[in-house]
Amino acid sequence: GEDVEQSLFLSVREGDSSVINCTYTDSSSTYLYWYKQEPGAGLQLLTYIFSNMDMKQDQRLTVLLNKKDKHLSLRIADTQTGDSAIYFCAEIRTDSWGKFQFGAGTQVVVTP
Amino acid sequence: KAGVTQTPRYLIKTRGQQVTLSCSPISGHRSVSWYQQTPGQGLQFLFEYFSETQRNKGNFPGRFSGRQFSNSRSEMNVSTLELGDSALYLCASSSGLAGTILDYEQYFGPGTRLTVT
Repeated sequence: GEDVEQSLFLSVREGDSSVINCTYTDSSSTYLYWYKQEPGAGLQLLTYIFSNMDMKQDQRLTVLLNKKDKHLSLRIADTQTGDSAIYFCAEIRTDSWGKFQFGAGTQVVVTP
Repeated sequence: KAGVTQTPRYLIKTRGQQVTLSCSPISGHRSVSWYQQTPGQGLQFLFEYFSETQRNKGNFPGRFSGRQFSNSRSEMNVSTLELGDSALYLCASSSGLAGTILDYEQYFGPGTRLTVT
């Protein structure tokens, strides 16, 4: 199975908050990333967190990390129609440079 | 600062042919990674190059190869194409160093869509 797991689909109403969840593999030296992919495009780096942090906030985005449960979440406040995309959680170990392990992606659909 | 560029953006090849894809990283970045994205397998790591050397490799057959030039531009080659090689091929660049947290930011290009018929 995949090392990084995500829920596959999320539907949210415009203006509400979205929460996308991810679980990752065991590593004490890891960076965890969130990427966004719109149709026909590459991956856009949204934010990332180091495994020794609990939370990171960047404008409408909040990343929460629960190291005990190896659970990562991305919260998008005031979700807009432009947030409709596939969101990928990814893990990279600092001893395996460039080798991201991606989740399957969560399709987020924002409805008016 | 220009982003990661990939050429060509779209490619149609016939089974059995070979193909070469190109990636130019962000200026100053020395690490280039390649990924294959398909609906069935998702995003899978192919290999990573740093300073013209392959530093990490994924679980792909030897038909998939790559190289990196002294200016950090990278190419990947797929020989004897199979129908299952149809995918979006993404490259990503980063500094490749293990310094500050900024060195761990990896930026992706728009991808090359390869269709094998």
